[in-house]
Amino acid sequence: DTGVSQDPRHKITKRGQNVTFRCDPISEHNRLYWYRQTLGQGPEFLTYFQNEAQLEKSRLLSDRFSAERPKGSFSTLEIQRTEQGDSAMYLCASSSQGTDSPLHFGNGTRLTVT
Amino acid sequence: AQTVTQSQPEMSVQEAETVTLSCTYDTSESDYYLFWYKQPPSRQMILVIRQEAYKQQNATENRFSVNFQKAAKSFSLKISDSQLGDAAMYFCAYRSSYNAGNNRKLIWGLGTSLAVNP
Repeated sequence: DTGVSQDPRHKITKRGQNVTFRCDPISEHNRLYWYRQTLGQGPEFLTYFQNEAQLEKSRLLSDRFSAERPKGSFSTLEIQRTEQGDSAMYLCASSSQGTDSPLHFGNGTRLTVT
Repeated sequence: AQTVTQSQPEMSVQEAETVTLSCTYDTSESDYYLFWYKQPPSRQMILVIRQEAYKQQNATENRFSVNFQKAAKSFSLKISDSQLGDAAMYFCAYRSSYNAGNNRKLIWGLGTSLAVNP
């Protein structure tokens, strides 16, 4: 079990630039989640995939945010025209099919927008 | 809408002692899951323990146990024989048991930062 991996670990970008993060879930997990976490807060749900289908997208996810999971394996989260308020930790998690299956998290990608 | 409240932003415990972290939640559902996650300074969120609401028996995982009071909507975490490696942020989370639509997401508390003193 290699766990959930996220790349990069850190990203510093200038305001207005686009950034893309990648998440590789645990291989047998068909569910994948993106969360955002700011300092001193719990994670905030962003979006959820079951296989390649994006089943839910939070209202937090403005039009500048898009997530994909084209083949039902890895996922990408893109933020266009980054703003300073986008600075946060972006967490990816995966789980298997069962109703009580727990989420397994990656180490996260810390985004700093200057 | 469901909410999760952790009223203790920070806690500390002496090594080898026992500490209890509090969590309360609000829901109108009768069936759901509750979780405690640990987030050490290395950042990876790790599942500590989970409880199904329909089970009356409190969940236990080694030194970690919960006190689940369904009527009071309380879900506290007890850490026995605290170790230095237990120092972390602890999050309580709720998830509906319904499989449809948007009920897959976890609803999180703000967390409790636990310090373990040697």
